[in-house]
Amino acid sequence: KAGVTQTPRYLIKTRGQQVTLSCSPISGHRSVSWYQQTPGQGLQFLFEYFSETQRNKGNFPGRFSGRQFSNSRSEMNVSTLELGDSALYLCASTMGGDNTYEQYFGPGTRLTVT
Amino acid sequence: AQKITQTQPGMFVQEKEAVTLDCTYDTSDPSYGLFWYKQPSSGEMIFLIYQGSYDQQNATEGRYSLNFQKARKSANLVISASQLGDSAMYFCAMRENSGYSTLTFGKGTMLLVSP
Repeated sequence: KAGVTQTPRYLIKTRGQQVTLSCSPISGHRSVSWYQQTPGQGLQFLFEYFSETQRNKGNFPGRFSGRQFSNSRSEMNVSTLELGDSALYLCASTMGGDNTYEQYFGPGTRLTVT
Repeated sequence: AQKITQTQPGMFVQEKEAVTLDCTYDTSDPSYGLFWYKQPSSGEMIFLIYQGSYDQQNATEGRYSLNFQKARKSANLVISASQLGDSAMYFCAMRENSGYSTLTFGKGTMLLVSP
């Protein structure tokens, strides 16, 4: 069974630009969560999508958005990039139902904003 | 207040020795899950072990075991017979049942295994 895939793996953008990151969950998994990891703030939850609906959201500004498609693939978008958005962005997939606990992460997208 | 606390920024252990990584948590949710992940320098988060709040026995997965003390709200990871490949960051995380699949992470412990 293929694992969680994220594209691209590395990205360099300029302040003010926007970026779209993609995450393909494990086959059969319906929930995708996104996390931002920085040296200063550690791992912070961005949002979770389940069956194409956002069902939980972290404390991030509206510049951060996401969506999920009918095949459970998810994208996150960051508009008007700031230097502080430089981070490793991780997505995790899980079945998403009650009492499910396996959460598997992708390799991450390392975003550098210059 | 921090929900997950990992008090050891770094730990050193010699190959083949056992090591315990500390984790304490805070929640008022009676149903929750506790996770440990390993993150090598490549960045990928590797799932190691899970403990549910209602599980009576401590979880074990190969060389990993979770020392779950519910009353003390601690969930320490024990790695037996350390290997050089165990050198990595280790994160403790919690999922509260009220939070869907959301994980709250601690700040991590860097483990270095020496020959």
